[in-house]
Amino acid sequence: KAGVTQTPRYLIKTRGQQVTLSCSPISGHRSVSWYQQTPGQGLQFLFEYFSETQRNKGNFPGRFSGRQFSNSRSEMNVSTLELGDSALYLCASSLGQRGNEQFFGPGTRLTVL
Amino acid sequence: KQEVTQIPAALSVPEGENLVLNCSFTDSAIYNLQWFRQDPGKGLTSLLLIQSSQREQTSGRLNASLDKSSGRSTLYIAASQPGDSATYLCAVSNQAGTALIFGKGTTLSVSS
Repeated sequence: KAGVTQTPRYLIKTRGQQVTLSCSPISGHRSVSWYQQTPGQGLQFLFEYFSETQRNKGNFPGRFSGRQFSNSRSEMNVSTLELGDSALYLCASSLGQRGNEQFFGPGTRLTVL
Repeated sequence: KQEVTQIPAALSVPEGENLVLNCSFTDSAIYNLQWFRQDPGKGLTSLLLIQSSQREQTSGRLNASLDKSSGRSTLYIAASQPGDSATYLCAVSNQAGTALIFGKGTTLSVSS
């Protein structure tokens, strides 16, 4: 059974640009969550999508947005990039019920210059 | 607001030692607790999931316990090996949903 996949694995952007990251969950999983990992703040929850609807949202500015498609694949978009957005972005998938185990992808390393 | 703390932040042990990693959380109203392993620059690998109604879970050389009332969990690693070197993260899922709240992790180094 294939795991969670994320593309691209690495990205370099400049300030002010926008970026789109993609996440394909484990087959049969309907929930996709996104997390940002930085050395200073650790892992922080961005948002969760379930059945194409945002079900949960963390405390991030509106520049961070996402969506989920009917096949459960999810995309995350960051507009007007700032230097502080440099981070490892991880997505996790689960069956979608509370208490289900979450499985993480390898992450996308975003560097903003 | 739920806060998760992991102590120690770093730990170095010789191969073969048994060790304990600690995780504490401020709000006992959790739905479950999950332990992860992260290798440098990589994603997270799920190690153990403990539901709030459970006291412990075991997988191979790993044993995780949960004391919800005191807001604590421990991850016990038996007979440590150099391949166990990684950062170990604990995360709790609160009653509101599936969002995980993470500690900052314990970086373990096992020397041969």
